[in-house]
Amino acid sequence: KAGVTQTPRYLIKTRGQQVTLSCSPISGHRSVSWYQQTPGQGLQFLFEYFSETQRNKGNFPGRFSGRQFSNSRSEMNVSTLELGDSALYLCASSRDREQFFGPGTRLTVL
Amino acid sequence: DQQVKQNSPSLSVQEGRISILNCDYTNSMFDYFLWYKKYPAEGPTFLISISSIKDKNEDGRFTVFLNKSAKHLSLHIVPSQPGDSAVYFCAARPYGNNRLAFGKGNQVVVIP
Repeated sequence: KAGVTQTPRYLIKTRGQQVTLSCSPISGHRSVSWYQQTPGQGLQFLFEYFSETQRNKGNFPGRFSGRQFSNSRSEMNVSTLELGDSALYLCASSRDREQFFGPGTRLTVL
Repeated sequence: DQQVKQNSPSLSVQEGRISILNCDYTNSMFDYFLWYKKYPAEGPTFLISISSIKDKNEDGRFTVFLNKSAKHLSLHIVPSQPGDSAVYFCAARPYGNNRLAFGKGNQVVVIP
């Protein structure tokens, strides 16, 4: 069974730009969650989507948004990038209580 | 506010010996706990989990113990192997909610 896939794996952007990250969950998993990992804050929950609806949201500004499609694939978008948005962005899918993570997208903002 | 805490950021252990990782939590709404292993530049890999209605769960070399009254859990790895060298994260899930709260992680180094 294929795992969670994320594209792209690496991304370099400049301040003020926007970025879209993509996540394909494990087949049959309808819940997709996004997390941000930084050296200072660790792993922090961004949001969760289930059946194309945002079910939970973390404490991040409105510049961070996401969506989920009917095939459960999800995208997250960050607008007006700031230097502090440089991080590893992780997507996780779940069918029950365990969440399985993808390899992440490393975003660098210059 | 850090709801899940992992102290002792790093641990070195001889191959074949036991590795013990500890985790404390503060939120009584957490009812499911997970351990993940992470290599650099990779996503976390799920290891083992435990429900709040249990006090022990075992899977091969990995055992997780939960002390609900103390809000404390631990992960035992025995015997430790060089491939276990990684960062280990403790995570907690609130009842009915997929919003995982993570600890800061423990770096484990297994010395051959």
